[in-house]
Amino acid sequence: KQEVTQIPAALSVPEGENLVLNCSFTDSAIYNLQWFRQDPGKGLTSLLLIQSSQREQTSGRLNASLDKSSGRSTLYIAASQPGDSATYLCAVRSNAGNMLTFGGGTRLMVKP
Amino acid sequence: NAGVTQTPKFRVLKTGQSMTLLCAQDMNHEYMYWYRQDPGMGLRLIHYSVGEGTTAKGEVPDGYNVSRLKKQNFLLGLESAAPSQTSVYFCASSKTLGGETQYFGPGTRLLVL
Repeated sequence: KQEVTQIPAALSVPEGENLVLNCSFTDSAIYNLQWFRQDPGKGLTSLLLIQSSQREQTSGRLNASLDKSSGRSTLYIAASQPGDSATYLCAVRSNAGNMLTFGGGTRLMVKP
Repeated sequence: NAGVTQTPKFRVLKTGQSMTLLCAQDMNHEYMYWYRQDPGMGLRLIHYSVGEGTTAKGEVPDGYNVSRLKKQNFLLGLESAAPSQTSVYFCASSKTLGGETQYFGPGTRLLVL
Protein backbone atom coordinates (compact mmCIF):
# COMPACT_ATOMS: atom_id res chain seq x y z
CA LYS A 1 0.00 0.00 0.00
CA GLN A 2 1.35 3.41 -0.99
CA GLU A 3 2.10 5.75 1.89
CA VAL A 4 2.95 9.42 1.47
CA THR A 5 4.70 11.47 4.14
CA GLN A 6 5.32 15.20 4.27
CA ILE A 7 7.91 16.79 6.51
CA PRO A 8 7.76 19.20 8.21
CA ALA A 9 4.11 19.36 9.24
CA ALA A 10 4.40 23.10 9.78
CA LEU A 11 6.91 25.74 8.76
CA SER A 12 7.22 29.43 9.52
CA VAL A 13 9.64 31.63 7.59
CA PRO A 14 10.25 35.36 7.11
CA GLU A 15 9.25 36.92 3.82
CA GLY A 16 11.83 36.65 1.07
CA GLU A 17 13.32 33.31 2.08
CA ASN A 18 13.71 30.46 -0.34
CA LEU A 19 12.25 27.27 1.08
CA VAL A 20 11.88 23.57 0.37
CA LEU A 21 8.96 21.32 1.22
CA ASN A 22 9.51 17.58 1.24
CA CYS A 23 7.35 14.66 0.19
CA SER A 24 8.31 10.99 0.36
CA PHE A 25 6.47 7.92 -0.87
CA THR A 26 6.99 4.22 -0.22
CA ASP A 27 6.18 2.66 -3.62
CA SER A 28 8.29 3.98 -6.49
CA ALA A 29 5.93 2.54 -9.14
CA ILE A 30 4.08 5.78 -9.64
CA TYR A 31 2.20 7.23 -12.60
CA ASN A 32 2.55 10.85 -11.54
CA LEU A 33 2.91 13.15 -8.54
CA GLN A 34 1.09 16.40 -7.87
CA TRP A 35 1.54 19.30 -5.52
CA PHE A 36 -1.60 21.08 -4.33
CA ARG A 37 -2.22 24.26 -2.37
CA GLN A 38 -5.06 24.49 0.14
CA ASP A 39 -6.16 27.77 1.68
CA PRO A 40 -8.09 27.71 4.99
CA GLY A 41 -11.70 26.68 4.45
CA LYS A 42 -11.15 26.16 0.74
CA GLY A 43 -10.65 23.30 -1.66
CA LEU A 44 -7.39 22.22 -3.25
CA THR A 45 -5.75 23.95 -6.18
CA SER A 46 -3.27 22.05 -8.32
CA LEU A 47 0.14 23.73 -8.52
CA LEU A 48 2.32 21.30 -10.43
CA LEU A 49 1.95 17.82 -11.87
CA ILE A 50 5.03 15.72 -12.63
CA GLN A 51 4.67 12.65 -14.81
CA SER A 52 6.76 9.62 -13.85
CA SER A 53 9.05 10.17 -16.84
CA GLN A 54 9.84 13.75 -15.79
CA ARG A 55 12.39 15.01 -13.28
CA GLU A 56 10.94 18.44 -12.58
CA GLN A 57 8.28 21.00 -13.37
CA THR A 58 8.37 24.76 -12.95
CA SER A 59 5.68 27.39 -12.63
CA GLY A 60 6.73 30.91 -11.76
CA ARG A 61 8.49 30.87 -8.38
CA LEU A 62 7.64 27.20 -7.86
CA ASN A 63 9.80 24.28 -8.85
CA ALA A 64 8.95 20.66 -8.10
CA SER A 65 11.40 17.82 -8.53
CA LEU A 66 10.84 14.08 -8.59
CA ASP A 67 13.27 11.28 -7.78
CA LYS A 68 11.33 8.06 -8.23
CA SER A 69 14.17 5.74 -7.27
CA SER A 70 14.50 7.32 -3.83
CA GLY A 71 10.78 7.93 -3.43
CA ARG A 72 11.10 11.67 -2.97
CA SER A 73 9.76 14.93 -4.30
CA THR A 74 10.55 18.47 -3.25
CA LEU A 75 8.66 21.69 -3.81
CA TYR A 76 10.96 24.70 -3.95
CA ILE A 77 9.43 28.14 -3.40
CA ALA A 78 11.67 31.06 -4.30
CA ALA A 79 11.47 34.46 -2.64
CA SER A 80 8.51 33.54 -0.44
CA GLN A 81 5.69 36.04 0.09
CA PRO A 82 2.94 36.31 2.73
CA GLY A 83 0.47 35.29 0.03
CA ASP A 84 2.21 31.91 -0.15
CA SER A 85 0.88 31.08 3.33
CA ALA A 86 -1.26 27.97 2.94
CA THR A 87 -1.14 24.21 3.38
CA TYR A 88 0.75 22.35 0.67
CA LEU A 89 -0.19 18.77 -0.11
CA CYS A 90 1.52 16.27 -2.32
CA ALA A 91 -0.37 13.38 -3.88
CA VAL A 92 0.85 10.31 -5.73
CA ARG A 93 -0.97 8.30 -8.36
CA SER A 94 0.40 4.76 -8.31
CA ASN A 95 0.56 2.55 -11.37
CA ALA A 96 -1.76 0.08 -9.67
CA GLY A 97 -5.22 1.40 -8.98
CA ASN A 98 -7.04 4.61 -9.76
CA MET A 99 -6.50 6.47 -6.52
CA LEU A 100 -4.49 9.47 -5.50
CA THR A 101 -2.70 8.95 -2.17
CA PHE A 102 -2.20 12.19 -0.28
CA GLY A 103 0.36 13.22 2.26
CA GLY A 104 -0.71 14.96 5.46
CA GLY A 105 0.42 18.36 4.21
CA THR A 106 2.84 21.07 5.29
CA ARG A 107 1.27 24.18 6.79
CA LEU A 108 3.37 27.14 5.66
CA MET A 109 3.29 30.59 7.18
CA VAL A 110 5.32 33.40 5.60
CA LYS A 111 5.69 36.34 7.95
CA PRO A 112 5.92 39.92 6.58
CA ASN B 1 -18.14 28.41 -15.48
CA ALA B 2 -18.52 27.56 -11.78
CA GLY B 3 -16.20 24.52 -11.79
CA VAL B 4 -17.03 22.15 -8.94
CA THR B 5 -19.68 23.17 -6.41
CA GLN B 6 -20.79 21.43 -3.23
CA THR B 7 -23.99 21.65 -1.22
CA PRO B 8 -24.29 22.26 1.71
CA LYS B 9 -21.24 24.11 3.01
CA PHE B 10 -21.81 23.08 6.63
CA ARG B 11 -24.12 20.66 8.41
CA VAL B 12 -24.65 19.37 11.92
CA LEU B 13 -26.21 15.93 12.33
CA LYS B 14 -27.19 13.80 15.27
CA THR B 15 -25.95 10.22 15.45
CA GLY B 16 -28.19 7.97 13.38
CA GLN B 17 -29.52 10.70 11.08
CA SER B 18 -29.09 10.49 7.35
CA MET B 19 -28.11 13.09 4.78
CA THR B 20 -26.95 13.53 1.21
CA LEU B 21 -24.11 15.73 0.01
CA LEU B 22 -24.40 17.04 -3.52
CA CYS B 23 -21.53 17.69 -5.89
CA ALA B 24 -21.99 19.31 -9.28
CA GLN B 25 -19.47 20.07 -12.03
CA ASP B 26 -19.95 22.01 -15.26
CA MET B 27 -16.75 20.96 -17.04
CA ASN B 28 -18.24 17.85 -18.69
CA HIS B 29 -15.77 15.65 -16.81
CA GLU B 30 -16.23 11.89 -16.87
CA TYR B 31 -14.56 11.20 -13.55
CA MET B 32 -15.76 12.34 -10.14
CA TYR B 33 -14.52 11.61 -6.63
CA TRP B 34 -15.48 12.00 -2.99
CA TYR B 35 -12.75 12.46 -0.37
CA ARG B 36 -12.72 13.09 3.34
CA GLN B 37 -10.08 15.14 5.14
CA ASP B 38 -9.40 14.74 8.83
CA PRO B 39 -7.06 16.94 10.94
CA GLY B 40 -3.40 16.22 10.30
CA MET B 41 -4.21 13.69 7.64
CA GLY B 42 -4.27 13.89 3.91
CA LEU B 43 -7.37 13.38 1.85
CA ARG B 44 -8.68 9.83 1.65
CA LEU B 45 -10.81 8.58 -1.21
CA ILE B 46 -14.28 7.37 -0.24
CA HIS B 47 -15.86 6.51 -3.61
CA TYR B 48 -15.36 7.52 -7.19
CA SER B 49 -17.13 7.32 -10.53
CA VAL B 50 -15.73 6.74 -14.00
CA GLY B 51 -18.89 7.82 -15.77
CA GLU B 52 -22.63 8.28 -15.55
CA GLY B 53 -24.26 5.29 -13.87
CA THR B 54 -21.00 3.84 -12.52
CA THR B 55 -19.42 3.99 -9.08
CA ALA B 56 -16.52 2.25 -7.34
CA LYS B 57 -15.15 1.99 -3.82
CA GLY B 58 -12.14 3.93 -2.69
CA GLU B 59 -9.97 3.58 0.37
CA VAL B 60 -12.60 4.27 3.07
CA PRO B 61 -16.06 3.41 1.66
CA ASP B 62 -17.75 1.96 4.76
CA GLY B 63 -20.78 3.89 5.98
CA TYR B 64 -21.21 5.79 2.71
CA ASN B 65 -23.13 5.26 -0.51
CA VAL B 66 -22.93 7.19 -3.78
CA SER B 67 -24.90 7.65 -6.95
CA ARG B 68 -24.12 9.18 -10.35
CA LEU B 69 -27.45 9.39 -12.14
CA LYS B 70 -26.37 12.39 -14.21
CA LYS B 71 -22.91 13.04 -15.59
CA GLN B 72 -22.63 16.42 -13.89
CA ASN B 73 -23.75 15.28 -10.42
CA PHE B 74 -22.23 12.95 -7.85
CA LEU B 75 -24.11 12.35 -4.59
CA LEU B 76 -22.64 11.09 -1.34
CA GLY B 77 -25.06 9.59 1.19
CA LEU B 78 -24.71 8.81 4.86
CA GLU B 79 -27.47 6.41 5.84
CA SER B 80 -26.86 6.45 9.61
CA ALA B 81 -24.34 9.09 10.63
CA ALA B 82 -21.73 8.30 13.28
CA PRO B 83 -19.38 10.67 15.17
CA SER B 84 -16.45 9.06 13.29
CA GLN B 85 -17.86 10.60 10.12
CA THR B 86 -17.23 14.11 11.42
CA SER B 87 -14.91 15.47 8.76
CA VAL B 88 -14.54 17.83 5.84
CA TYR B 89 -15.76 16.28 2.61
CA PHE B 90 -14.35 17.28 -0.77
CA CYS B 91 -15.66 16.46 -4.18
CA ALA B 92 -13.40 16.52 -7.23
CA SER B 93 -13.67 15.88 -10.94
CA SER B 94 -11.23 15.22 -13.75
CA LYS B 95 -11.20 14.83 -17.50
CA THR B 96 -9.07 11.71 -17.43
CA LEU B 97 -8.44 9.14 -14.74
CA GLY B 98 -4.75 9.61 -14.21
CA GLY B 99 -2.89 11.93 -16.50
CA GLU B 100 -4.47 15.24 -15.63
CA THR B 101 -5.23 17.14 -12.48
CA GLN B 102 -8.39 16.86 -10.43
CA TYR B 103 -10.46 19.96 -9.80
CA PHE B 104 -11.78 20.29 -6.26
CA GLY B 105 -14.90 21.81 -4.75
CA PRO B 106 -14.76 24.08 -1.68
CA GLY B 107 -15.72 21.33 0.76
CA THR B 108 -18.57 20.47 3.12
CA ARG B 109 -17.88 20.57 6.83
CA LEU B 110 -19.90 17.90 8.64
CA LEU B 111 -20.25 17.59 12.39
CA VAL B 112 -21.94 14.49 13.81
CA LEU B 113 -22.94 14.78 17.46
